[in-house]
Amino acid sequence: QQQVKQSPQSLIVQKGGISIINCAYENTAFDYFPWYQQFPGKGPALLIAIRPDVSEKKEGRFTISFNKSAKQFSLHIMDSQPGDSATYFCAAIPYSGAGSYQLTFGKGTKLSVIP
Amino acid sequence: EPEVTQTPSHQVTQMGQEVILRCVPISNHLYFYWYRQILGQKVEFLVSFYNNEISEKSEIFDDQFSVERPDGSNFTLKIRSTKLEDSAMYFCASSEGPAANTGELFFGEGSRLTVL
Repeated sequence: QQQVKQSPQSLIVQKGGISIINCAYENTAFDYFPWYQQFPGKGPALLIAIRPDVSEKKEGRFTISFNKSAKQFSLHIMDSQPGDSATYFCAAIPYSGAGSYQLTFGKGTKLSVIP
Repeated sequence: EPEVTQTPSHQVTQMGQEVILRCVPISNHLYFYWYRQILGQKVEFLVSFYNNEISEKSEIFDDQFSVERPDGSNFTLKIRSTKLEDSAMYFCASSEGPAANTGELFFGEGSRLTVL
């Protein structure tokens, strides 16, 4: 129940295309859903995050879509660029009252944007 | 820009040896974490630390592991007797407030541990 399932495992997109990464969860205590971006040799870095009280959040070319009833959320990268090539992790964390501090990560999606 | 720094970047050790991984969190952060990532797999939570004590730990964080904040700046992870399966990238992270409030953890670049 603590799992976050992420797909696809890898993704190749042409420059200028749309990259879409999907995640699903079971634990209804999850209350905050960040996406992390990881470049080779670096630690994960927060990209964008959403709470379940909104269905969409957009920051520049990055958009999170959230479907609370389906317990699914996705990351859309518009106008994908070669510099977006990285591994993307979705994650989830319970609300603060649940007494848990841990981020649960998905298995990651390796995105390659080709010129 | 403030960052989390980790040392060493890579450590090779023999099975059964003790290892200490060091981290300097961002200075005004109060919550500290260790995560690990086995090659090609997802990032897994090990432990969180607040107010000089462990606030939460995962099943991975057994008696072989310990954490310490020996002074005002360092945060260490000790593995008492390393096993082959401890080979992984270990990430230290810190946050200003509880992760549940913001979800924003700042990660270091990691310490790669190779156990032979």
